[in-house]
Amino acid sequence: AQSVTQLGSHVSVSEGALVLLRCNYSSSVPPYLFWYVQYPNQGLQLLLKYTSAATLVKGINGFEAEFKKSETSFHLTKPSAHMSDAAEYFCAVSSGYSTLTFGKGTMLLVSP
Amino acid sequence: EAGVAQSPRYKIIEKRQSVAFWCNPISGHATLYWYQQILGQGPKLLIQFQNNGVVDDSQLPKDRFSAERLKGVDSTLKIQPAKLEDSAVYLCASSLNDRGAGELFFGEGSRLTVL
Repeated sequence: AQSVTQLGSHVSVSEGALVLLRCNYSSSVPPYLFWYVQYPNQGLQLLLKYTSAATLVKGINGFEAEFKKSETSFHLTKPSAHMSDAAEYFCAVSSGYSTLTFGKGTMLLVSP
Repeated sequence: EAGVAQSPRYKIIEKRQSVAFWCNPISGHATLYWYQQILGQGPKLLIQFQNNGVVDDSQLPKDRFSAERLKGVDSTLKIQPAKLEDSAVYLCASSLNDRGAGELFFGEGSRLTVL
C-alpha cells in the first residue's frame, strides 16, 4: 500500500519569501514521487518528479524537491515566491506499475 | 499538441438524475484515467484503462458509476442515479503507458453539482 501526507492544508508566504511545502510518503517498495500544481478551474500540471536518479530534483517555475529516504519525505521548495505561484499543490506517489496516489493538497497563498 | 479534452466543463443536476462526461486523451496515449476530486481533497482514482481494457476499477462505485473506452481512444464516465455526495470535479488524464514513473496529463475537469 502507498500513501501521501501533506502537512498543512494552507501555507501563506509573502512575495519574495521562501516557499516550503511538506510531503511525507509511505510505500512498501521504492517509490516514484511527484509534485503537481493546480490553478483555479484548471487540471493538474506536473511540476517535477523523482524516479530514483538524482535525489535533488529541479522542476518548472524555479521549484525543486529533495528525496530523503531516511525521512520518507519529498518536500517542495522555491527560494523566492511570486504572486503567480498562488495555487494548490499536490504531492503524489506511485511504485512500479501502481497508479498514482495523491495527497490532500496544500493551498499556497502569496501576499504582496 | 492538443491536450486532454473534457466536456462538459460544468453540469448541475438533481439527485437521482443521470449524467455523462466525455474525455478525449492525447493522441497516442494508451492509458486513460478518471479521477474524482471532491472539494478540499486530492484526486481519487475511479478507473484506469489500458487501451480499451480496464486495469483498475477497485474504487469505482459500480452500483451507480460506469465507464467505457470503446476503440481504445475516447472515454465516457456515467453516473446513474446521482447522489449529493457525487458533487465533485471529474478529472480525466492520459499517459503514454501504465508505468509508474510516467507523467499523467490532465484535462481541465468536469465540475458536477448535484442538488
